[in-house]
Amino acid sequence: DTEVTQTPKHLVMGMTNKKSLKCEQHMGHRAMYWYKQKAKKPPELMFVYSYEKLSINESVPSRFSPECPNSSLLNLHLHALQPEDSALYLCASGEGPWNEQFFGPGTRLTVL
Amino acid sequence: ELKVEQNPLFLSMQEGKNYTIYCNYSTTSDRLYWYRQDPGKSLESLFVLLSNGAVKQEGRLMASLDTKARLSTLHITAAVHDLSATYFCAVETQGGSEKLVFGKGTKLTVNP
Repeated sequence: DTEVTQTPKHLVMGMTNKKSLKCEQHMGHRAMYWYKQKAKKPPELMFVYSYEKLSINESVPSRFSPECPNSSLLNLHLHALQPEDSALYLCASGEGPWNEQFFGPGTRLTVL
Repeated sequence: ELKVEQNPLFLSMQEGKNYTIYCNYSTTSDRLYWYRQDPGKSLESLFVLLSNGAVKQEGRLMASLDTKARLSTLHITAAVHDLSATYFCAVETQGGSEKLVFGKGTKLTVNP
């Protein structure tokens, strides 16, 4: 199974809501990632969970918080988001000698 | 800080023609990746390039890496409409950090 799954596919939320994005992989990879992609821009790395260690892109605001319940799941908790946070959120997993990252289908988030 | 530059950013070409997309990066890196993204979709891994002189081919696409020049190329041979997409190169920050920095992407349109 070479698939990374993400739920939901679409999410619309208000600025006062709390929501979570979910990501799951069954490839046995020990590293998982969250990226944010704005329209017509490249993906930007937000968080890396690798071998149970979290690395954070320091430019990511605290209203985003990752959680890794186990090695195959990675959640992204959202709280008090702003309209400019509307984007495609991509999860990826990877490992091995090539460190090749495999991306999920993404969650398209709209913040009203 | 690692910077990755792609050019051109936009490429419109006729079916049957050949063209090359260039990816330059600013600091030493062990790994370079090429991804394809269709509109509204996630990223699909195309190539992983790991060493100087590496060349990989898949169908009408061929990727190469020159680590001394810090340059990778993605060559398109006899383009067909189905190749229309945005192509990203991504470079891993040094030391096996598993963190990718993406170029801005090249939007390729192949016209009949």
